[in-house]
Amino acid sequence: GEDVEQSLFLSVREGDSSVINCTYTDSSSTYLYWYKQEPGAGLQLLTYIFSNMDMKQDQRLTVLLNKKDKHLSLRIADTQTGDSAIYFCAESSSFQKLVFGTGTRLLVSP
Amino acid sequence: SQTIHQWPATLVQPVGSPLSLECTVEGTSNPNLYWYRQAAGRGLQLLFYSVGIGQISSEVPQNLSASRPQDRQFILSSKKLLLSDSGFYLCAWDRGQSILEAFFGQGTRLTVV
Repeated sequence: GEDVEQSLFLSVREGDSSVINCTYTDSSSTYLYWYKQEPGAGLQLLTYIFSNMDMKQDQRLTVLLNKKDKHLSLRIADTQTGDSAIYFCAESSSFQKLVFGTGTRLLVSP
Repeated sequence: SQTIHQWPATLVQPVGSPLSLECTVEGTSNPNLYWYRQAAGRGLQLLFYSVGIGQISSEVPQNLSASRPQDRQFILSSKKLLLSDSGFYLCAWDRGQSILEAFFGQGTRLTVV
């Protein structure tokens, strides 16, 4: 079955770059996603990448995809305290469901 | 615009009692609907998803069930709650298109005592 894994915790200083990593097992994944969850709330889509791309940039966010190694990363440039949240990687291989990773808690200290 | 409503926000229930969590979506038709559970350290676990009225897929064996009596209504139920059912439950929907942008409710914090 599908499996998506992430490290549980990342701590950075304000102004540094953050890199959150994700690995997945489903070789038929068509889209990969990054979602953000702020405390006590649901998830919101940050960005996504199609599986035939290897990079996507959106303002401070850069997504890198290594399809051979089934590795996805999210880089946040100039990390701010407001970026503190849980970040979830997700993949879909059909129109019918998303499979989420375990989430990475990002803590940004001043 | 589309909105998703999930209630209640918090719930404390005794072991062995029944459960009913409700989720409704407005502003769209024929959405895919999902129930997730988020437990500490275990991330987001897909419990059920539905691509249409009366169509429910269960992802994991458990003490819970789901129903979709109307196009935009999704209900999570249990006949007898267990302590292990405690967690944060999230309802979500998407348009069932190739890019699955899911929209989440605010969640229900369930504590079984």
